[in-house]
Amino acid sequence: DAGVIQSPRHEVTEMGQEVTLRCKPISGHNSLFWYRQTMMRGLELLIYFNNNVPIDDSGMPEDRFSAKMPNASFSTLKIQPSEPRDSAVYFCASSMDRGRVGGKERRNEQFFGPGTRLTVL
Amino acid sequence: GENVEQHPSTLSVQEGDSAVIKCTYSDSASNYFPWYKQELGKRPQLIIDIRSNVGEKKDQRIAVTLNKTAKHFSLHITETQPEDSAVYFCAAPFSGGYNKLIFGAGTRLAVHP
Repeated sequence: DAGVIQSPRHEVTEMGQEVTLRCKPISGHNSLFWYRQTMMRGLELLIYFNNNVPIDDSGMPEDRFSAKMPNASFSTLKIQPSEPRDSAVYFCASSMDRGRVGGKERRNEQFFGPGTRLTVL
Repeated sequence: GENVEQHPSTLSVQEGDSAVIKCTYSDSASNYFPWYKQELGKRPQLIIDIRSNVGEKKDQRIAVTLNKTAKHFSLHITETQPEDSAVYFCAAPFSGGYNKLIFGAGTRLAVHP
């Protein structure tokens, strides 16, 4: 398995432009997460999906951010319009949510993609 | 919701010494505690995890201990090597279900030869 795939790996754009980040989760995983990482704020969860359905988008900073997961093998994170403070590394991660096992929630490893380094000038 | 605090934020040790990173969590129902290592310019990767039915878990030079009563867990690295230099993140599950994790702020470990 190639692991979680993200594209592009680097993106440099000008303020006001639309940016689209892409993610392909590991085949068979049913949970997908978008994170943003900066020196100041650390690793922040933006949104996550389970079975292609957005479960919690409370981490999305503003209406300029939107995310979609049209099918189990593809997700996008869009920023429109982009601003310099959006500059960060954006990670996508996926995992297999096994639900409850023996009455207890069964947590599993999140596998991270290589990230997209976004620079907004 | 869950809150995770991690200390110290930076740690500097000499090669061969031990390093300990500590995390506390707030949700007593949490039952899974992973540790991720992120090397410079790379992605976070799981190095070890512990579930609430055990108090300690070891994997070669790394170990994690869990104290559910005190709601804290720790990462122990023995015989540190320069390649252990990285940022380490602890995490705890969000009690709302699924696999959402709340990450600590990270500890930057520097191992000096």
